[in-house]
Amino acid sequence: SAVISQKPSRDICQRGTSLTIQCQVDSQVTMMFWYRQQPGQSLTLIATANQGSEATYESGFVIDKFPISRPNLTFSTLTVSNMSPEDSSIYLCSVVGVSYNEQFFGPGTRLTVL
Amino acid sequence: GENVEQHPSTLSVQEGDSAVIKCTYSDSASNYFPWYKQELGKGPQLIIDIRSNVGEKKDQRIAVTLNKTAKHFSLHITETQPEDSAVYFCAAPYSGNTPLVFGKGTRLSVIA
Repeated sequence: SAVISQKPSRDICQRGTSLTIQCQVDSQVTMMFWYRQQPGQSLTLIATANQGSEATYESGFVIDKFPISRPNLTFSTLTVSNMSPEDSSIYLCSVVGVSYNEQFFGPGTRLTVL
Repeated sequence: GENVEQHPSTLSVQEGDSAVIKCTYSDSASNYFPWYKQELGKGPQLIIDIRSNVGEKKDQRIAVTLNKTAKHFSLHITETQPEDSAVYFCAAPYSGNTPLVFGKGTRLSVIA
């Protein structure tokens, strides 16, 4: 399995501001995803981060609100733009590796928007 | 697309008893079914998975069963311990093996 780190681990932000979350994996992976987990809820897929091209967004999520970058096989960022209290959630990076088919998750970034 | 239903939403058991969590899925083409455990303040951890070519898989106190005809799969935890207390999620792929769509979760409490 891969070792996945996320920065920051948590943050408290003011509404109207933006936060960029980083995801770093210790080995090359084939696929990287970003999920959102609202308080007490399940995981919802935001988008698939594609290396060197635009991310693929799920219904209800748009690039202007959640811009994503993936410059190489081991790193991705998710930005939460123009935040509102409804964006308060845990944001999770997830990967599928080159040598395995399972999907693994990072520790998450806990975001509170005031 | 895939839809995953999970039951129950909460489950309390006495230490040493067994716990069973059930999930159904909608896409008959799905062929990979993982289970995750999420402890407070942590990301989901893959604990066991099953592929469509087998009906059951065991790993110590944890087992998963799959019924492809009925499109449901279940997690079985035997001899439960307090450290089994967590939220458990089942999942199935949107297409192929990834990415995954998740059930709503089951909060398991093991009472000592």
